[in-house]
Amino acid sequence: AQSVTQLDSHVSVSEGTPVLLRCNYSSSYSPSLFWYVQHPNKGLQLLLKYTSAATLVKGINGFEAEFKKSETSFHLTKPSAHMSDAAEYFCVVSDRFGSARQLTFGSGTQLTVLP
Amino acid sequence: ETGVTQSPTHLIKTRGQQVTLRCSSQSGHNTVSWYQQALGQGPQFIFQYYREEENGRGNFPPRFSGLQFPNYSSELNVNALELDDSALYLCASSHTPGLRTDTQYFGPGTRLTVL
Repeated sequence: AQSVTQLDSHVSVSEGTPVLLRCNYSSSYSPSLFWYVQHPNKGLQLLLKYTSAATLVKGINGFEAEFKKSETSFHLTKPSAHMSDAAEYFCVVSDRFGSARQLTFGSGTQLTVLP
Repeated sequence: ETGVTQSPTHLIKTRGQQVTLRCSSQSGHNTVSWYQQALGQGPQFIFQYYREEENGRGNFPPRFSGLQFPNYSSELNVNALELDDSALYLCASSHTPGLRTDTQYFGPGTRLTVL
């Protein structure tokens, strides 16, 4: 089974500074990877996905992630944090489970943006 | 295009009772997946329905069951509720569960509290 590990449970940045949320994956073949964001008491919103096309993936709200096979990483970045970015971020791998496609979530990274 | 909707938004039950949660998939989607998100954790896969058949199940007991209807909406039923069933239940829809590029779009969730 595939898995993802989010290396930081909490990240705190100042508004206007860069954001880096780290994710490593474990997979025996080329994975499909996603980043989702969850604002308090809300559902999950898709930020971006990697499905073996370009290794640098651009998402919504200025976020992007780079797939690095040699490092088994899929880190999420944003050049300049905004107060509205404060939320929980999940790195996710899509895995075949019988005939279904199951999402396996990391433990999440809580992003705090300081004024 | 209508997104994924879930009802009710909140629900309070007592231990031993039964509950039914509902989900309407996004327009054009034929697959629904259900996830359980306990407080402070990432979502866990419960099961997936594709064209009215269960086609994958996570590590949840049989008292968690589901249905999918011809219009692709879905229900999650939980019998003999336990305190640990208290969680946010998320529904996600997609349209090509067999493909690794398949993307799941989430609803806002139902918050279940078991007393």
